[in-house]
Amino acid sequence: EPEVTQTPSHQVTQMGQEVILRCVPISNHLYFYWYRQILGQKVEFLVSFYNNEISEKSEIFDDQFSVERPDGSNFTLKIRSTKLEDSAMYFCASSKIRTGGTEAFFGQGTRLTVV
Amino acid sequence: KNEVEQSPQNLTAQEGEFITINCSYSVGISALHWLQQHPGGGIVSLFMLSSGKKKHGRLIATINIQEKHSSLHITASHPRDSAVYICAVGDSGGGADGLTFGKGTHLIIQP
Repeated sequence: EPEVTQTPSHQVTQMGQEVILRCVPISNHLYFYWYRQILGQKVEFLVSFYNNEISEKSEIFDDQFSVERPDGSNFTLKIRSTKLEDSAMYFCASSKIRTGGTEAFFGQGTRLTVV
Repeated sequence: KNEVEQSPQNLTAQEGEFITINCSYSVGISALHWLQQHPGGGIVSLFMLSSGKKKHGRLIATINIQEKHSSLHITASHPRDSAVYICAVGDSGGGADGLTFGKGTHLIIQP
């Protein structure tokens, strides 16, 4: 069964460093998403990406964040200068159409720890 | 912005019991998703509903669009059903593409 894969599964980084989280969405999907879950809290929407550009972003997704689909298969989330409060589980998801109307497939997540 | 509320927050039951988890939301949606999150953290999609009822094995999900309410039922519960169950909704249009999540219901099934 096709699946969304994320790497790495766990990343530890020092405050102020740049990190790139990687995702390989399901190949025939058109919409891609990043979500964040701070420990003990609910999952929050960060950004959606369609047709090689950001479709929607939340207030969390500030100038420190960027997304890219560099090669037609990978989908990356970059955090330019990490802060302690960026420590969270980051989930990538993909869907054939907007997730309002279709099943979303999630990756296993990348646990980011900023020290 | 939609507000998604789940109840109960925590539920402990004995193996074999019938489980019900509830979800309510504040504004109209395009679809509602039930998701399962295991202790390792990964999220698995269980159902996507826009009306009526769906069944998959021992899991049943229902939605009442007029009342803005959905329920997830587990029949003949088993310890392997222990997980966090999350309700998430998609905007009805013109809003964010992403889902809005509830806080989740932490379910423990004891043998």
